Amino acid sequence: AQKITQTQPGMFVQEKEAVTLDCTYDTSDPSYGLFWYKQPSSGEMIFLIYQGSYDQQNATEGRYSLNFQKARKSANLVISASQLGDSAMYFCAMREAGNTPLVFGKGTRLSVIA
Amino acid sequence: NAGVTQTPKFQVLKTGQSMTLQCAQDMNHNSMYWYRQDPGMGLRLIYYSASEGTTDKGEVPNGYNVSRLNKREFSLRLESAAPSQTSVYFCASRGLAGLRSEQYFGPGTRLTVT
Repeated sequence: AQKITQTQPGMFVQEKEAVTLDCTYDTSDPSYGLFWYKQPSSGEMIFLIYQGSYDQQNATEGRYSLNFQKARKSANLVISASQLGDSAMYFCAMREAGNTPLVFGKGTRLSVIA
Repeated sequence: NAGVTQTPKFQVLKTGQSMTLQCAQDMNHNSMYWYRQDPGMGLRLIYYSASEGTTDKGEVPNGYNVSRLNKREFSLRLESAAPSQTSVYFCASRGLAGLRSEQYFGPGTRLTVT
């Protein structure tokens, strides 16, 4: 069963606007971690932000923040003040407790329009 | 530090040919992973090695074999390539066993099987 769901195959946002990329997850493990990665057209995978299931506050890293709603099992990425360089694929991923690999969603392609 | 390196960057194979994708990391990481990325499918785990001397199947292991040659190197072998194995292959590694530790990715290998 798919553990990470990203329902938006593609999104458009105007430059300087904020955008939210959706991610829902499924796990019965009380201890887990959620990650967001960016993949620009050059192909490399860039780590953006992490949220732990027991973290009291929503994670923030510069213009990236995570809207973590544990009861709804959602971990949406918010990008503020979008820039043209934010155009990329964005992947949500989860790791459950133990030395387990990341499981990825199918991704959302974000296009920033000038 | 070079991080995670992969060779080759590009490869074209004919159906039935074999090849080995090489991956090495210089970060003294314990865990290493092989993913494939296909359009609309996100990254799917092929095999992983939680530590030197161990390997485990991921979500899509059929048609592949792996070898954890030493702590640095983790290779992926296609014994008899099929067009369905046309994909971009990513190797990744992770050092700490905790939830928070990110996976570092190589630049990818683009493989085409004709």
